[in-house]
Amino acid sequence: AQSVSQHNHHVILSEAASLELGCNYSYGGTVNLFWYVQYPGQHLQLLLKYFSGDPLVKGIKGFEAEFIKSKFSFNLRKPSVQWSDTAEYFCAVRPGAYNTDKLIFGTGTRLQVFP
Amino acid sequence: GAVVSQHPSRVICKSGTSVKIECRSLDFQATTMFWYRQFPKQSLMLMATSNEGSKATYEQGVEKDKFLINHASLTLSTLTVTSAHPEDSSFYICSARILGQGGDWTFGSGTRLTVV
Repeated sequence: AQSVSQHNHHVILSEAASLELGCNYSYGGTVNLFWYVQYPGQHLQLLLKYFSGDPLVKGIKGFEAEFIKSKFSFNLRKPSVQWSDTAEYFCAVRPGAYNTDKLIFGTGTRLQVFP
Repeated sequence: GAVVSQHPSRVICKSGTSVKIECRSLDFQATTMFWYRQFPKQSLMLMATSNEGSKATYEQGVEKDKFLINHASLTLSTLTVTSAHPEDSSFYICSARILGQGGDWTFGSGTRLTVV
C-alpha cells in the first residue's frame, strides 16, 4: 500500500548532538515533500518543503532535508540540536503533486533533547 | 498571516450525542479543506477532503454517515461526529492550503473530543 514511513519513532539526544530523522514514501510520480513540527500543545508548523530544484532544502531553525529520488527518501537533519527542539516531527507527502492538495503524513517521530 | 481557526478546542459529550466542529479560514478563501484525526502519540490520519459547494471526498475506511462534513461557504467547513461513541474520542484537526501566498498549508489548533 502507498504510505509514508518514519522509522524512528522515538529519538533521545543530548544538546549539541546531531540529528537525522528518516522518511521514506512509496508514491510514484511527482511528489511534494514536507517536514512539520508539532510542539506540545501547539498546532503543526512547517519546517521545510521540497517542490522541485535543489534536492537539499534548508528550512527554519537550522533544519535541512535532502530529497533522494532513487531512494524515495526525504530525511531531516540538524547538525546541533537544542533543548527547544523537543517536539514531534512529521514527514508529509503530497502524492501526485498538482493533482491534489491533500497531504499524507508519516507516523511521526518524537524527539526528546536533554540539556 | 492567513490562519485557520478551529472551534471548539475541547469538547466532552455523552455517548449517542452529536458534536459539531467548525473550521474557519481567516483572511483567505478555502475551496478545499482537509479533516484529520490524530490518535495519542500517533500520526495525522486524513479522514476526508471538504469541497465548497459539493460533497466531501472520504478516505477509505472512514464512515461518511458517521462523520458528516459540510462546506457551505468559502470560509467555513464543519465536521459533525454523529451518534458519538467513546472510540470516537480523538484529536481532530482541519487544514487548508493558502493559495496565492506561496501555497503553504495551514492547520487549525485542533479539537480534543472526549466521549463519555
